[in-house]
Amino acid sequence: AQSVTQLGSHVSVSEGALVLLRCNYSSSVPPYLFWYVQYPNQGLQLLLKYTSAATLVKGINGFEAEFKKSETSFHLTKPSAHMSDAAEYFCAVTKRVNNDMRFGAGTRLTVKP
Amino acid sequence: EAGVTQFPSHSVIEKGQTVTLRCDPISGHDNLYWYRRVMGKEIKFLLHFVKESKQDESGMPNNRFLAERTGGTYSTLKVQPAELEDSGVYFCASSQWVGGGVYNEQFFGPGTRLTVL
Repeated sequence: AQSVTQLGSHVSVSEGALVLLRCNYSSSVPPYLFWYVQYPNQGLQLLLKYTSAATLVKGINGFEAEFKKSETSFHLTKPSAHMSDAAEYFCAVTKRVNNDMRFGAGTRLTVKP
Repeated sequence: EAGVTQFPSHSVIEKGQTVTLRCDPISGHDNLYWYRRVMGKEIKFLLHFVKESKQDESGMPNNRFLAERTGGTYSTLKVQPAELEDSGVYFCASSQWVGGGVYNEQFFGPGTRLTVL
């Protein structure tokens, strides 16, 4: 079965600081991995995805994530946080195309001025 | 192009009542998914339609939940009778079906926040 674990339900950073949101996955087959962001009163928006191509994936808004099979991780990073990055972030995994997703519990990111 | 829409955005009902949530996927998307997030917990898969057929309903919590997708367009999720633990945000997502092992992004709606009192 596929699953993801997000470490830290809340992360707080200062504006301009590095953002690191952690996600570890468990999968019996090569996974597809995703990061979604949810801004207040909005739906989930795809930030980036890993679908077995390049292990370093670049997404929107300056975010990127690296697939590390040896560590079963897919951590999300951004070099410099912006106030507008404050939102809830979800890591998700699916085992094949058109399959349902398994989400982590979410990490709420706060950005301090 | 319109995204995935869900109606209503909020619903407050009393225990024992019935509620029907609606999802309109992106036009042409054969895949439609329902997910639910109970307060503070992870988003959980409920079921997956391919056109009008239920591909996977392994996530449906019990027989008080009934999902339909007549004609393969919009979908409804009925909860009858509603219980306190059904409170949460219900998300709908849709994606194209292409085949050939090509991944197609799931586009999510804004969700329906259901509160059962």
